[in-house]
Amino acid sequence: KAGVTQTPRYLIKTRGQQVTLSCSPISGHRSVSWYQQTPGQGLQFLFEYFSETQRNKGNFPGRFSGRQFSNSRSEMNVSTLELGDSALYLCASSFPGSNTEAFFGQGTRLTVV
Amino acid sequence: KNEVEQSPQNLTAQEGEFITINCSYSVGISALHWLQQHPGGGIVSLFMLSSGKKKHGRLIATINIQEKHSSLHITASHPRDSAVYICAARGGTSYGKLTFGQGTILTVHP
Repeated sequence: KAGVTQTPRYLIKTRGQQVTLSCSPISGHRSVSWYQQTPGQGLQFLFEYFSETQRNKGNFPGRFSGRQFSNSRSEMNVSTLELGDSALYLCASSFPGSNTEAFFGQGTRLTVV
Repeated sequence: KNEVEQSPQNLTAQEGEFITINCSYSVGISALHWLQQHPGGGIVSLFMLSSGKKKHGRLIATINIQEKHSSLHITASHPRDSAVYICAARGGTSYGKLTFGQGTILTVHP
């Protein structure tokens, strides 16, 4: 059974640009969550999608957005990139529900220069 | 004060030692996750607990709901156990939202 796939694995962007990251969940998983990991702030929740609807959103500016497609694949977008957006972006998929295990992808390492 | 606190932040052990990492949380939860992260970034889910105790190989995780505390134990530690261990709390109605501890950097020397 294939795991959670994130693409691309590495990305270098310039300040002011925008970026789109992709996450393909494990087959059958309909919930996808996104997280940002930085050395200073650790892991922080960005948002969660279920059945193409955002169910939860973390405390991030509106430059961070996402969406989920009918096949449960999800994308997140960051517009007007800032140096502080450099981070490891992780997604996790799970079956819906509050008591289900989360499976993480390998992450996309974004560097903003 | 963070909603999820881990201790210690750094832990160094000799191969074969018994290791304990602690996690305290201040929110109501539906589940507590223990995660492992190796250099390179990928995160592996070790345990998901809502009560009691779980064991997988040399790893044991316990949770005390009344005291809002969980522990991860590694018996007979090995250098390949060197990684960052992270606890994460899932709130009762917050579905996919996990709140993470700061992580414990474990180094096991041969």
